[in-house]
Amino acid sequence: QSVLTQPPSASGTPGQRVTISCSGSSSNIGSNTVNWYQQLPGTAPKLLIYSNNQRPSGVPDRFSGSKSGTSASLAISGLQSEDEGDYYCAAWDDSLNAFVIFGGGTKLTVL
Amino acid sequence: QVQLVESGGGVVQPGRSLRLSCAASGLSFSGYAMHWVRQAPGKGLEWVAVISFDGNNKYYTDSVKGRFTISRDNSKSTLYLQMSSLRVEDTAVYYCAREGFLYFDYWGQGTLVTVSS
Repeated sequence: QSVLTQPPSASGTPGQRVTISCSGSSSNIGSNTVNWYQQLPGTAPKLLIYSNNQRPSGVPDRFSGSKSGTSASLAISGLQSEDEGDYYCAAWDDSLNAFVIFGGGTKLTVL
Repeated sequence: QVQLVESGGGVVQPGRSLRLSCAASGLSFSGYAMHWVRQAPGKGLEWVAVISFDGNNKYYTDSVKGRFTISRDNSKSTLYLQMSSLRVEDTAVYYCAREGFLYFDYWGQGTLVTVSS
């Protein structure tokens, strides 16, 4: 069971705005930055958002991230069909059991 | 072209060993910590192990401690994962990833390890 909690699924129609939540605890999101990874079907994960709200070069500004306390969220505006895939939040964890913690992933469907 | 290329996956019986490699090209390797992350079929991502830029510090997830060993050869820009006493539950795609500052900025394409009798 993942330490970071994400909804298993999300959906929207083209052009819509969708948000994906990620809930953690004081040992991970509460004390470290949050990153988001996009995994399109059949491909490796790709860095989408780092340090809570920063976009790597090449990531469209339709993608944005935020963090508050022990929770974070990813927002995708102007939804496109090519956004369909899995989205994972992640954070470093200060407990003794793990170095990096991932959320269980959210499967985004573009209707 | 920036590339992390994993190799060494395959089908192996429970209890046997396997060594994965991850060759880096087109990106800086020796100055960065490197990680292994795995993904069981149809499941989410799971962090496995990390090695510091100089190889002096290594950490593992509890389920692989004592069975897996992460190492690196900076002269060859290559990361390794020696896996022994493999279990059915180790079946997964194994990705190598470079650590930026508390995030994974580059990922390999993954190599599939299947543990089955």
